[in-house]
Amino acid sequence: DTGVSQDPRHKITKRGQNVTFRCDPISEHNRLYWYRQTLGQGPEFLTYFQNEAQLEKSRLLSDRFSAERPKGSFSTLEIQRTEQGDSAMYLCASSFVQSYEQYFGPGTRLTVT
Amino acid sequence: AQSVSQHNHHVILSEAASLELGCNYSYGGTVNLFWYVQYPGQHLQLLLKYFSEDPLVKGIKGFEAEFIKSKFSFNLRKPSVQWSDTAEYFCAVNSYYGNNRLAFGKGNQVVVIP
Repeated sequence: DTGVSQDPRHKITKRGQNVTFRCDPISEHNRLYWYRQTLGQGPEFLTYFQNEAQLEKSRLLSDRFSAERPKGSFSTLEIQRTEQGDSAMYLCASSFVQSYEQYFGPGTRLTVT
Repeated sequence: AQSVSQHNHHVILSEAASLELGCNYSYGGTVNLFWYVQYPGQHLQLLLKYFSEDPLVKGIKGFEAEFIKSKFSFNLRKPSVQWSDTAEYFCAVNSYYGNNRLAFGKGNQVVVIP
């Protein structure tokens, strides 16, 4: 499968714990995006990378959130000191710089108890 | 900032009925417009896109959408739905210039009854 992959698919954690998600984009896609989707809502933009550079972060991304894309390949999204409000589906998407089409992964569903 | 409005969040219809989902966006500049679909248990997939071409766009599975610039709308249509069209449909917009980040609407949950 050459699509966007995300790991894990599901994560249950207790409030206050740290969690890390991984996204592997489509090979050679320069841009990588993170979105968050809560129940009854469409995905909301969190941040994006062009190669290894993080170029924009949404105001939704509090200081407890950090994302990296070392070497411009896979990306990780870490949430520190999780809160119940962080429960959501975290989606990753990738694209070429010159393309407006984004391809989405299956998402990681986070449940904070 | 861009925003997208979708109405009639829950739609139930019978097979062979026609479907139309409304999408209105708010943005002053040139935009690209998309409809994404999420079938049960699957990830978001691109259904169709508008990139400043013919305002009537045809996508996969018999879907089409019409861009009406004066109304800031990009409505999705299908003349005759099938049970397999049961899914959630999201309208999205991004700026023609910029980082390509997508702004999504809240989605339409469509259930087609056989």
